[in-house]
This record gives sequence, structure tokens and C-alpha cells, in this order.
Amino acid sequence: SQKIEQNSEALNIQEGKTATLTCNYTNYSPAYLQWYRQDPGRGPVFLLLIRENEKEKRKERLKVTFDTTLKQSLFHITASQPADSATYLCARGNSGYSTLTFGKGTMLLVSP
Amino acid sequence: EAGVAQSPRYKIIEKRQSVAFWCNPISGHATLYWYQQILGQGPKLLIQFQNNGVVDDSQLPKDRFSAERLKGVDSTLKIQPAKLEDSAVYLCASSSISTSGRATGELFFGEGSRLTVL
Repeated sequence: SQKIEQNSEALNIQEGKTATLTCNYTNYSPAYLQWYRQDPGRGPVFLLLIRENEKEKRKERLKVTFDTTLKQSLFHITASQPADSATYLCARGNSGYSTLTFGKGTMLLVSP
Repeated sequence: EAGVAQSPRYKIIEKRQSVAFWCNPISGHATLYWYQQILGQGPKLLIQFQNNGVVDDSQLPKDRFSAERLKGVDSTLKIQPAKLEDSAVYLCASSSISTSGRATGELFFGEGSRLTVL
């Protein structure tokens, strides 16, 4: 089966540091990976999509990488702020009808 | 632009009762999804519609769950009879499709309907 694995332990960092979250996938490489942010009691919000043939994608303070050799995506938040505290979900998608398989998410806590 | 609307936000029922959740996707979005998110887990796809048709319902417990999307817009997810393990947040999401007819990938989620089964 196609799985997405994220570190279930919360990541605690200090404000201003770079947060790095890991997403590993199994079996064949997905056509794309997506990252979402989820706040308590809210639905996930889309952040970034990176395709299989892209190595890196950036959006403001966010950066995502896609390493098909390691079967891994890294999600970076530079100059992190307490407002970045949330759960971050990684999801894999295949070409076609865009059925997404989500990981469990990693909680990020940014302390002042 | 209005987002994905879901109701009710919260529902508490006893086991063996029935419940229904409603979703109105973003206007013009052809693809609609229902996900189940158990506390501490990621969202798990229950069913995916493209317009009126079902694209994927392989993880929908069809003995108790049903979903419909009449007229290709609103959707209803029903659980009957509910079990304790159905306690979760039910998330509706929608996405648009490209001119080639494929979903574009980015999902827009509603706030979810939190179900507690006692």
C-alpha cells in the first residue's frame, strides 16, 4: 500500500530558528507531494505542492524538497514565529484524479 | 470567494443512532471529497466524487456509511447505525479540474463536522 510517514513526535523550536519537518513515502514515487497546515478545530489549509520532477519549491518563508532517491520530502519554515505553531500534514497524490493519502501530521511548537 | 461550507459543526449521538452531514463545495469545483479524521491521525479518504459520479469509495464502510452528491453540487454523508469508533471529525473538501479534465491537486477543506458517539 502507498503510505506516508511523518514523525509523530512534536517538534519544539525557538522563535527565529528554521523548522524542518520530514515526510517519508513508501513504494513508488508519487506524482506529487502536498503540504497542509492544520490548526486545532480547523480544516487543513493547503501550503505547497511539489511535483516528482521538481527538487525544490519555495513560497515566502516556506521551502519544500522532494528527494526520489531517499523517498523523502522535507518541509522548512525559516525565521519561525509562534504563529507558525500548528500541525503540518504531508500528502501524496498520483496523477489522474488526485486522490490524496495523508500522513498523521507533525505538530510544530514555536516558543518565543 | 466563499469557502467549503459544512454543517453541523458538532453532533453528539448515541451508538446505533443515525447522523447526516452536509457539505457545499466551492462554486464551480467538480471534485468533492469526504475525509474522516480520528483524533491524532491524518485525514482518511472515505469517498471522492467527480461531478455526480463516484471516483473512489474503496475505504467507505458501505454497511453503515452512505454518501450522495445529487446534481453535482452539495453532498450528504450519512452514518446509520453509528458505532463508537465513528467518533471523528468528518471533513469535506473540494478541488477544481484543469481543462484536461484532471483534478488540479490542491484541496480546499471545510472546517469539519465533529461527531461524538456515546
